[in-house]
Amino acid sequence: QLVQSGPEVKKPGASVKVSCKASGSKFGSSSVQWVRQARGQRPEWIGWIVLGSGYTNYAEKVQGRVTITRDRSTGTAYMELTSLRSEDTAVYFCAAGTTMVMQVWGGGTTVIVSS
Amino acid sequence: EIVMTQSPASVSVSPGESATLSCRASQGVSNFVAWYQQRPGQPPRFLIYGASTRATGVPDRFSGSGSGTEFTLTISSLQSEDFAVYYCQQYNNGLTFGGGTKVEI
Repeated sequence: QLVQSGPEVKKPGASVKVSCKASGSKFGSSSVQWVRQARGQRPEWIGWIVLGSGYTNYAEKVQGRVTITRDRSTGTAYMELTSLRSEDTAVYFCAAGTTMVMQVWGGGTTVIVSS
Repeated sequence: EIVMTQSPASVSVSPGESATLSCRASQGVSNFVAWYQQRPGQPPRFLIYGASTRATGVPDRFSGSGSGTEFTLTISSLQSEDFAVYYCQQYNNGLTFGGGTKVEI
């Protein structure tokens, strides 16, 4: 089970950091992915992190604004998005699995960007 | 970017009937396709990978097929909990999702 941090309301230009904690501090997977979904829209891949090496890969659309990290000691992954815009408003999901598929999903974190 | 196009956008079926959902890739993705189910207000649920292999715990009424650019998810003998939106996702080159098919009563 993955437990995500609570909802966030941010102003344009601000940053947000969302956390994703694995129950028992163990993800039980090789990677953690981050996906966002605007209301009524398809999911959109943001990036992933390989838990062992810390290697990351990001979607071109958010490259330069997103950073995914992990803390292996606490079994927590983080997704930080900077220079927020209104179009970043969405539910952000973490998911444990591989770098290809998302096997176990967190409950989602709503991020609203509004002035 | 590989674009995944799903059809139909919605399909109406009765419990006990079958539903066939289609997903087309803008270029060949081999069999690197997964399917997810999303109920309202819930995160997606992982159903199928490798185009046809069911994830752990997924009932055998869910079956996937296809390769290259054409993929299908078939749900046989639909049950009430199966009414949801279904997304395909390719992972051959990057990761992209289809627009979804809503299965409704």
